[in-house]
Amino acid sequence: GQNIDQPTEMTATEGAIVQINCTYQTSGFNGLFWYQQHAGEAPTFLSYNVLDGLEEKGRFSSFLSRSKGYSYLLLKELQMKDSASYLCAVRVPYGQNFVFGPGTRLSVLP
Amino acid sequence: EAGVAQSPRYKIIEKRQSVAFWCNPISGHATLYWYQQILGQGPKLLIQFQNNGVVDDSQLPKDRFSAERLKGVDSTLKIQPAKLEDSAVYLCASMGQPYEQYFGPGTRLTVT
Repeated sequence: GQNIDQPTEMTATEGAIVQINCTYQTSGFNGLFWYQQHAGEAPTFLSYNVLDGLEEKGRFSSFLSRSKGYSYLLLKELQMKDSASYLCAVRVPYGQNFVFGPGTRLSVLP
Repeated sequence: EAGVAQSPRYKIIEKRQSVAFWCNPISGHATLYWYQQILGQGPKLLIQFQNNGVVDDSQLPKDRFSAERLKGVDSTLKIQPAKLEDSAVYLCASMGQPYEQYFGPGTRLTVT
């Protein structure tokens, strides 16, 4: 089976740093993806990890440990516009499909 | 580059009625996905096409849902008959190379 876990909700303050964790147990692994989804909008791609380690992209960084089935998304210098849901997704070998986690709803407070 | 187009954006129907959604992917993208996203949950894959062939439809409730992608370009997803639990946002996504999915704006379906 496929299982991806994320915290349901998180709250942080503008200008702070927040880490959103994701753990996964899937039948195979071909990469881990993070998406941002604002309320009422479609998901947009943020980052991709296929090898262990940290990938940095501006204010956003994503980390992967394949042996632990663990990833995190790090958001720095939080802005109000970062209030959104953050979806963790694993790409599985069969059909190269994506299995999504339930999403973490982040609220950034002034 | 034009994005993924979907229509309609919103649809309200009564249970047992039928409904169809349309998706036009980004030009040249061979892979097309349909997802169902229930409020507060992550997207769940319904069906994946590669050109006009089905790659994975293992999670599609085939007794009521059908999808096609004639000519390997745009696609339609149909529900017949609809149930209350089908109320969700239906997202279409396409993927070129190598791995980035682009999502359409979605169709919000309410079944009453």
